[in-house]
Amino acid sequence: GESVGLHLPTLSVQEGDNSIINCAYSNSASDYFIWYKQESGKGPQFIIDIRSNMDKRQGQRVTVLLNKTVKHLSLQIAATQPGDSAVYFCAEPDRQGAQKLVFGQGTRLTINP
Amino acid sequence: EPEVTQTPSHQVTQMGQEVILRCVPISNHLYFYWYRQILGQKVEFLVSFYNNEISEKSEIFDDQFSVERPDGSNFTLKIRSTKLEDSAMYFCASSGAAHNEQFFGPGTRLTVL
Repeated sequence: GESVGLHLPTLSVQEGDNSIINCAYSNSASDYFIWYKQESGKGPQFIIDIRSNMDKRQGQRVTVLLNKTVKHLSLQIAATQPGDSAVYFCAEPDRQGAQKLVFGQGTRLTINP
Repeated sequence: EPEVTQTPSHQVTQMGQEVILRCVPISNHLYFYWYRQILGQKVEFLVSFYNNEISEKSEIFDDQFSVERPDGSNFTLKIRSTKLEDSAMYFCASSGAAHNEQFFGPGTRLTVL
């Protein structure tokens, strides 16, 4: 069943500030997580992923943190820009080794000028 | 940069009609997927396809749905007799390996009247 969920449906931040988007999961055996960005009228775009043998992974202006103890992951976006405005989804395979990705509801991030 | 493409961008059809949604995955990818997103809802998995056969499918993917890779480049989703509730964005995705990043296309908006 669905195991990936998001705490907040919307988030507004000032341009240049940092943003944090949160995601909870319920399956303690989950071993791979992905963050996708979906701009209006477009398909999901891969941002960053993390495997359960890590608790932090950094990309360009983005950091994903994984807390396996409380089954929580977060996406941090540093120095937000107008182009960061989008819906952000966390996703995970339905079960270990599955190809089916289960997406959360999404958080709409709005960057205010 | 290679990308997944989909046609048409918008398809309007009458209830009960057949539709075929087309996708061209990234050329060296071997795994192909269809997802759908009803307006305002999360992305839902429909089916995955590898080596000319379905490898996983969801409960949504009933007998009205079928997929095909008719040649070396196209990947299609057919809905035999559309229902009003089939109205959604349909996203094709592909990946180079089973548990690698899935790249999504821009989607086809299907409207069933």
